[in-house]
This record gives sequence, C-alpha cells and structure tokens, in this order.
Amino acid sequence: NAGVTQTPKFQVLKTGQSMTLQCAQDMNHNSMYWYRQDPGMGLRLIYYSASEGTTDKGEVPNGYNVSRLNKREFSLRLESAAPSQTSVYFCASSEAMGTGGTETQYFGPGTRLLVL
Amino acid sequence: AQRVTQPEKLLSVFKGAPVELKCNYSYSGSPELFWYVQYSRQRLQLLLRHISRESIKGFTADLNKGETSFHLKKPFAQEEDSAMYYCALRSGNQFYFGTGTSLTVIP
Repeated sequence: NAGVTQTPKFQVLKTGQSMTLQCAQDMNHNSMYWYRQDPGMGLRLIYYSASEGTTDKGEVPNGYNVSRLNKREFSLRLESAAPSQTSVYFCASSEAMGTGGTETQYFGPGTRLLVL
Repeated sequence: AQRVTQPEKLLSVFKGAPVELKCNYSYSGSPELFWYVQYSRQRLQLLLRHISRESIKGFTADLNKGETSFHLKKPFAQEEDSAMYYCALRSGNQFYFGTGTSLTVIP
C-alpha cells in the first residue's frame, strides 16, 4: 500500500495563477484532510471531509476550495494564488472521525508551493 | 477557542538523559490529545494518544487537566529520538496542532 500520496511534490506559481493539489489514499479511509504548514505556525487545518460527499471548512479556508472526488481522492484548489499561500501542504486521512481511536491520521509526504 | 502551545522550539539533551517536551492546551471541554512525530525525511506520524494510555518507543504522556498540560516524557533519550514533535488536540471534527519542538539528542 502506498498510503497517502500527493502530487505534485513541488510547484512554483505566479500570483493570480490557479492550480489543484491532488491527494489520494488507498487505505479505504472515510475522512480526509488538508493542512498547511508555515514556519512558526505548526500545521493548520484548511478543509476536511468527514466522509465521501461532504466537505467542511477548517481553521484557514480562505482562498481555497476542495473536492472530495470519491472515497480515495481529495483535491485542494487555489483559484488565484497569492504569495501568502506559499507553504507546505499536507494531506491526511483517517479511518473515521470521532470514533474513539480510529481518528489516527496518516499523512502524505507534502507539497511545497511557492507563489511569486 | 481551542489552542495548543508548545513553548520550546528547540530542545537538546544528551543521550541517556531524561527528556520532556512540553504541551499546554486551552479547551472548554474534555480534550482528546495526541503526539505526532516527524523523523528526518519521513512523514508525520502518530506517536501516541492520551486515551490509549500507551507507551510508544519509551515515551509516555499524561493528561493533566488541572494544569491543562500533556507533556511528553522519556526517561532515557536515544539518538534515534531526534525528530520534530507536534502536540495536537481534537475538537469535534477539527484538529489543532502546536508549532512543534525540534528535539536533538546529543551522542
């Protein structure tokens, strides 16, 4: 099993450009998450999907959209990239939310995004 | 608001010495707390969670509701413990991570 995979690994964008970060998991997990990691800020939740067909905002959703394409895939879209969105983006998945133990998150390797 | 604070960005200890990584939280309910670890060139992974009351790789963490703390401890640090450690809190369907502590174990 590959676990959680993310593409691309690295991307450079110009301000105003759009792009989609892809995430897939092969563990048959119900819940998926997108985080961003900035120096001195830790990981901050952007959006999550508790189950297929549902998405909800996290702590820092502005400037992003998500799509839970199916149970395996959860994409993050930047419609008009800004320098403030320069960050490392992590996707994660878990078996389920709020079930007393099965919410262990498994993380992808990350995508480094630079917005000029 | 739910928040997690890790006051130490960097922590260095000698091999064999005890280590404690601090985590304090603010939460208006019964918290669910976790420690995640990221070794060099590896993915972020779960180390332990408070509800399991487990010891993983010699690490333990006790939830102290009075002090709102969830410090990670190990009596004898090993070189392979050098990594980035994150404390995290689950509130409903959201997770809040601390800013992380980089632990270096000096041979």
